[in-house]
Amino acid sequence: DAKTTQPPSMDCAEGRAANLPCNHSTISGNEYVYWYRQIHSQGPQYIIHGLKNNETNEMASLIITEDRKSSTLILPHATLRDTAVYYCIVRDPYNNNDMRFGAGTRLTVKP
Amino acid sequence: NAGVMQNPRHLVRRRGQEARLRCSPMKGHSHVYWYRQLPEEGLKFMVYLQKENIIDESGMPKERFSAEFPKEGPSILRIQQVVRGDSAAYFCASSQSMNTEAFFGQGTRLTVV
Repeated sequence: DAKTTQPPSMDCAEGRAANLPCNHSTISGNEYVYWYRQIHSQGPQYIIHGLKNNETNEMASLIITEDRKSSTLILPHATLRDTAVYYCIVRDPYNNNDMRFGAGTRLTVKP
Repeated sequence: NAGVMQNPRHLVRRRGQEARLRCSPMKGHSHVYWYRQLPEEGLKFMVYLQKENIIDESGMPKERFSAEFPKEGPSILRIQQVVRGDSAAYFCASSQSMNTEAFFGQGTRLTVV
């Protein structure tokens, strides 16, 4: 179902940058890259999205490779509260517009 | 601006009963998505609706499940004759348009006893 591949788990030290990779080698020209996270069993939280340019907001930065086949979500200064499952998805707003989630990456921030 | 509201937050049903889950999208949002999450598993897409229309229901089980998003009122996910395997968290998300971010509610935890 999902069109993305992510490592199942990662650790990060508190205060350090967390770099979460995502592979989307079959991405098409109209598809955006979206990142969400889910803390415990809460509702997923939107983080950031982009098409081809790098994006930054108050939560994170999104780096998309020039060929758009992969991207990296960067949390610049990870805190314990950033421990969550992070999902990278691709979404085509002009073709069904559905959002299908994969297994995500379980990020554990350690003190 | 209130977020996506789902109710009830917790729902207990006996096998064979009906479950109705409601999702009120954010103000101005006309696109709604429903997902199911089994314990310790990922989010599974169920259905995508716009006002009064089902756009993609490829993730919906063929029987017992239905969804609607009427012109007025919340989106409803209806599960008829619930079975134990329907026990899960059901999340909905809404977006303003096709290419804007979608925001999720806090989910409804359905327990079938």
